[in-house]
Amino acid sequence: GAGVSQSPRYKVAKRGQDVALRCDPISGHVSLFWYQQALGQGPEFLTYFQNEAQLDKSGLPSDRFFAERPEGSVSTLKIQRTQQEDSAVYLCASSLGVRRGRDEKLFFGSGTQLSVL
Amino acid sequence: GDSVTQMEGPVTLSEEAFLTINCTYTATGYPSLFWYVQYPGEGLQLLLKATKADDKGSNKGFEATYRKETTSFHLEKGSVQVSDSAVYFCALSEGGGSYIPTFGRGTSLIVHP
Repeated sequence: GAGVSQSPRYKVAKRGQDVALRCDPISGHVSLFWYQQALGQGPEFLTYFQNEAQLDKSGLPSDRFFAERPEGSVSTLKIQRTQQEDSAVYLCASSLGVRRGRDEKLFFGSGTQLSVL
Repeated sequence: GDSVTQMEGPVTLSEEAFLTINCTYTATGYPSLFWYVQYPGEGLQLLLKATKADDKGSNKGFEATYRKETTSFHLEKGSVQVSDSAVYFCALSEGGGSYIPTFGRGTSLIVHP
């Protein structure tokens, strides 16, 4: 596709349920980022992939959060036993590749809005 | 660690007014600086960037100058339009490994006709 695609657009979960959020990056983009955006706040870093390798997961708030990108393309962010504080918009972004430099442009998807009841 | 501080919003202006959105940063090295914009219902998109001190980034009438001495990257536009209504995010990206961008909290801009 032409841009970064995320699905579902909206997700409502009961507390304790597991959820899976999908990200389709731009074809050929090496780097993939997940961010969490709480209402009225800026994006907060969760995790980063370079191809299939998860190089940084320092932003994942707990071990209930897990991300994968097994073939270096599509990525899934999984949240187990969801809690109310997990309610936020989850943003995925991709870029050509980190070795091109620190001024590299990120392309964002529209996000998945997760509401945990 | 790295951080970005933006002025609180919303900023409310009339069409053709002058816009300034303040952004200051804290970084250990020499980061690249960015402004991203998020229109309603859409993802963030890059508006402009600057990679070294005194660089000026510009796009769509918006400008921002990388000021190392004041660690600032304020966004300006001489004459705003209703279509500029959006949320604006200041961000930095520093070297040392993965260049993971750090974002500010965003500033909402509302432009009235």
